[in-house]
Amino acid sequence: KQEVTQIPAALSVPEGENLVLNCSFTDSAIYNLQWFRQDPGKGLTSLLLIQSSQREQTSGRLNASLDKSSGRSTLYIAASQPGDSATYLCAVRHRETSGSRLTFGEGTQLTVNP
Amino acid sequence: GAGVSQTPSNKVTEKGKYVELRCDPISGHTALYWYRQSLGQGPEFLIYFQGTGAADDSGLPNDRFFAVRPEGSVSTLKIQRTERGDSAVYLCASSLGTSGDEQFFGPGTRLTVL
Repeated sequence: KQEVTQIPAALSVPEGENLVLNCSFTDSAIYNLQWFRQDPGKGLTSLLLIQSSQREQTSGRLNASLDKSSGRSTLYIAASQPGDSATYLCAVRHRETSGSRLTFGEGTQLTVNP
Repeated sequence: GAGVSQTPSNKVTEKGKYVELRCDPISGHTALYWYRQSLGQGPEFLIYFQGTGAADDSGLPNDRFFAVRPEGSVSTLKIQRTERGDSAVYLCASSLGTSGDEQFFGPGTRLTVL
């Protein structure tokens, strides 16, 4: 059974700092990995999708990397801002699973202090 | 529509009652997913539709839970004889097809069973 772990569970940083969020998964036979952002009481906003054949994806100040063989992904946030405060979730789609179900980690709660 | 919509946004019910939760996917998306998120946890998969049929319902916790998508667009998640443990946020997502497409989530329905 695929398990997804995110470290740290919570992170508090001053504004302007660069930071890295970590995601690990137990079964490397994944189809893709997706990073999401969730604001309190809200749904999930997709940030980046990395296919299993890719090593990284970039969008603005966000960069996500994928090392499938070691079962790891990182989300790098450059020059953090208070508006980045949210919970960040990673999710993997397992290659053998029909229909694209995602298995999620428990998230990292990020607070960026002004 | 512009995004995935879910109604109601909040639902409070009494133990033993029946509830229906509705999801409107993004127009043209053939795949639809239901997830459940408990406080402080990542979402957990419930059921996946491809078109009108449930392609994977292995995440439904028991036979009190049922979902339909009769015309291949709007979906309804139905919960019979609700229990306090059913209290959670129910999230709906849609994607263009399957094959690892990016999933887009709605804002969720917060269900509280008293």
